[in-house]
Amino acid sequence: RKEVEQDPGPFNVPEGATVAFNCTYSNSASQSFFWYRQDCRKEPKLLMSVYSSGNEDGRFTAQLNRASQYISLLIRDSKLSDSATYLCVVFYSGGYQKVTFGTGTKLQVIP
Amino acid sequence: GAVVSQHPSWVICKSGTSVKIECRSLDFQATTMFWYRQFPKQSLMLMATSNEGSKATYEQGVEKDKFLINHASLTLSTLTVTSAHPEDSSFYICSARGPLAGEVPDTQYFGPGTRLTVL
Repeated sequence: RKEVEQDPGPFNVPEGATVAFNCTYSNSASQSFFWYRQDCRKEPKLLMSVYSSGNEDGRFTAQLNRASQYISLLIRDSKLSDSATYLCVVFYSGGYQKVTFGTGTKLQVIP
Repeated sequence: GAVVSQHPSWVICKSGTSVKIECRSLDFQATTMFWYRQFPKQSLMLMATSNEGSKATYEQGVEKDKFLINHASLTLSTLTVTSAHPEDSSFYICSARGPLAGEVPDTQYFGPGTRLTVL
């Protein structure tokens, strides 16, 4: 089983749609969780951290479910500019540091 | 804030030469920097974790003698690809981690990447 798993997509959605991505992780001791977006041939950019209580930033909502070991990202009112690959990132910093990226979920918002 | 730069942004070299890539945190001190490699249509793969003033920790399968990492200061880490070969051609990305006031611990900020092509 991969340490961090994501549905690779692509998710093709019309403008204005709501889309949700899930990401599962295998290390129950993982401590920090993030969503990044990566545009083609560019570096990842931080979208948002994920808190246990869930957090929202404009049209984006992130949730963490520690019991089931998954995090989610919800995008409301999709814009064309949301088209990108969304990367789930899990960080463990116990006796050693370990950061693991998911393979990413590709989103294409269609006019 | 939280800007990370990388230099060069792209490089083409002959097989057998060594290439040095610099990663700098411009407006914060990075206690930890990470080096990643990304092949086309694949996810980022962590190569090594570098803490200032200590030896880098390499991921399994990454040759430490081939990919030399130096993290001499809190704002600079370098990756040297020694005796590069065509299979080393890839997109190399660094990231830096604070602490930054107000940020979630472990938040990483990425450099723009270096595209290496080995002929």
